[in-house]
Amino acid sequence: SQTIHQWPATLVQPVGSPLSLECTVEGTSNPNLYWYRQAAGRGLQLLFYSVGIGQISSEVPQNLSASRPQDRQFILSSKKLLLSDSGFYLCAWSVWNSGVQNTEAFFGQGTRLTVV
Amino acid sequence: SQQGEEDPQALSIQEGENATMNCSYKTSINNLQWYRQNSGRGLVHLILIRSNEREKHSGRLRVTLDTSKKSSSLLITASRAADTASYFCATRSVRDRGSTLGRLYFGRGTQLTVWP
Repeated sequence: SQTIHQWPATLVQPVGSPLSLECTVEGTSNPNLYWYRQAAGRGLQLLFYSVGIGQISSEVPQNLSASRPQDRQFILSSKKLLLSDSGFYLCAWSVWNSGVQNTEAFFGQGTRLTVV
Repeated sequence: SQQGEEDPQALSIQEGENATMNCSYKTSINNLQWYRQNSGRGLVHLILIRSNEREKHSGRLRVTLDTSKKSSSLLITASRAADTASYFCATRSVRDRGSTLGRLYFGRGTQLTVWP
């Protein structure tokens, strides 16, 4: 069966420090991968989207970057964190190809990032 | 923005009552999905309705879709205290050239509280 791992669960980082959040998927190949951010009491904002190794689409300009060094690994990074980067970060995957459009997304348990 | 918008933002009911949440969106969609999020956790997929479907059932869940009005509703019948959570609608869009195919956009969610 497919599973998704996201870590760490919580993280407190000082302003100006670097960030690396990792997400891995098991049990599937060539997944679509997503990074979302959720501000307190708000909806999910799509940050990055990837359809394959090295293929990253950024949805909004920001202080963050994403990389996909392996098929089932998705990394969210920042060189210097800002206070506004605080939030709940969620990784997700789904199946997508032209013949299989109607599929759901599967989410990790999220990382609560607090920038102090 | 292609994000859906749910209303109400918050809903408080007694156990046994029905809960209805609505979602509106802006662009043509391939499908619409509903997710549930317990506090501080990842999202869990509940139900998916395709753009050519008008109604779908799953257990105590009933989803309707009106593509002419670009709206959907989620009905939870005979609610239980365990249904307390945030509920989000998400859309997969259809766009020319497929530039956004595969992306999944979420609304801000409805916080449902069911009192025992």
